[in-house]
Amino acid sequence: KTQVEQSPQSLVVRQGENCVLQCNYSVTPDNHLRWFKQDTGKGLVSLTVLVHENDKTSNGRYSATLDKDAKHSTLHITATLLDDTATYICVVGDRGSALGRLHFGAGTQLIVIP
Amino acid sequence: EAAVTQSPRNKVTVTGGNVTLSCRQTNSHNYMYWYRQDTGHGLRLIHYSYGAGNLQIGDVPDGYKATRTTQEDFFLLLELASPSQTSLYFCASSDGTGGASAETLYFGSGTRLTVL
Repeated sequence: KTQVEQSPQSLVVRQGENCVLQCNYSVTPDNHLRWFKQDTGKGLVSLTVLVHENDKTSNGRYSATLDKDAKHSTLHITATLLDDTATYICVVGDRGSALGRLHFGAGTQLIVIP
Repeated sequence: EAAVTQSPRNKVTVTGGNVTLSCRQTNSHNYMYWYRQDTGHGLRLIHYSYGAGNLQIGDVPDGYKATRTTQEDFFLLLELASPSQTSLYFCASSDGTGGASAETLYFGSGTRLTVL
């Protein structure tokens, strides 16, 4: 059973617009949550990691929130650029050590058009 | 700069073929992982390792072997490749926090394997 669900599956926005990506999960325990960006045919690059209840992070035009009670996270991208075209993957870790498992969502494919 | 390097970048083989995928990390990380990525699925863990000589079974290990020869090098072996193993394979390294800390989980660029 998929424990990390991302929505939407795909999204098309115009350059300069803002967008919000959603991640809902059922992983227990939920030690931390990380958002990755994956360019087509490339590896995953970490954008941010959230650890605590109601954590909020910011990394340039990317900002993220985590609600552990609701088991829900959002990734906001402000003023999108063409280079933001990629797949964004939500990952939930069930422990704060390498003994834990990472649970990967299938990703949201974002396409930014001129 | 932290790095995980995979080779080859692309590989085509036939059913029953013998394939070795290579991964090297220069992060001084103890933990290394092999994942496969298929359309519509999240990454799935094949094998992982705590250090040189150590091997642990992941979630989808059938048909795969792995070997960790040094702290830096982790190999994935497909001794009798099947079409179901056509996939994009990623190697990753971690410092032991399992990615719970910022900037402690690094992925390679992937190896695309096609089994005909």
